[in-house]
Amino acid sequence: SQQGEEDPQALSIQEGENATMNCSYKTSINNLQWYRQNSGRGLVHLILIRSNEREKHSGRLRVTLDTSKKSSSLLITASRAADTASYFCATDAGGGSEKLVFGKGTKLTVNP
Amino acid sequence: ETGVTQSPTHLIKTRGQQVTLRCSSQSGHNTVSWYQQALGQGPQFIFQYYREEENGRGNFPPRFSGLQFPNYSSELNVNALELDDSALYLCASSPHDRAATEAFFGQGTRLTVV
Repeated sequence: SQQGEEDPQALSIQEGENATMNCSYKTSINNLQWYRQNSGRGLVHLILIRSNEREKHSGRLRVTLDTSKKSSSLLITASRAADTASYFCATDAGGGSEKLVFGKGTKLTVNP
Repeated sequence: ETGVTQSPTHLIKTRGQQVTLRCSSQSGHNTVSWYQQALGQGPQFIFQYYREEENGRGNFPPRFSGLQFPNYSSELNVNALELDDSALYLCASSPHDRAATEAFFGQGTRLTVV
């Protein structure tokens, strides 16, 4: 079963605009990660935020985590056509197995 | 490129057959996890191998089995294939560490069961 839900399911924006995707999850976590997937290929890790962190930046990406609301958001600033992909959040409950539980993803389309 | 390689990239099998998918982990990574991703869904955890032993399993029936070899490469075997087994199968490797770490995914094997 899926742990989390991304919102929205699909997002279409123009190049240069910002894109915000949200993720909600159900159980306690050790960390939350965001991945990107192009056209049904492998997933690429974007950013990891630990449960004791509230915000993290990496280049044009900003991730926030609110453990009290069991939610996270991914902001992509100044989007480019090359950012077109599906974005997934994945939670790691820890405990040693390092199993990742993924949401259903947000399909982002950036129009040139 | 992550350094994780999977083979084959595409495969078509008939219902009832058996299939073996292969994964070579990134250098230095001793943990391999397998995920199944149905069309339009997020990946679902099948199982994980660490030092050649199963280290966690998701909600998949016993006909999904795996192996890890001394060089940390891994196989996923699926017996008695069903139509619903059609999916993208992803392998991910990571260094086993109590600290949080990212997973490095291969490009996947697209399995079609007809």
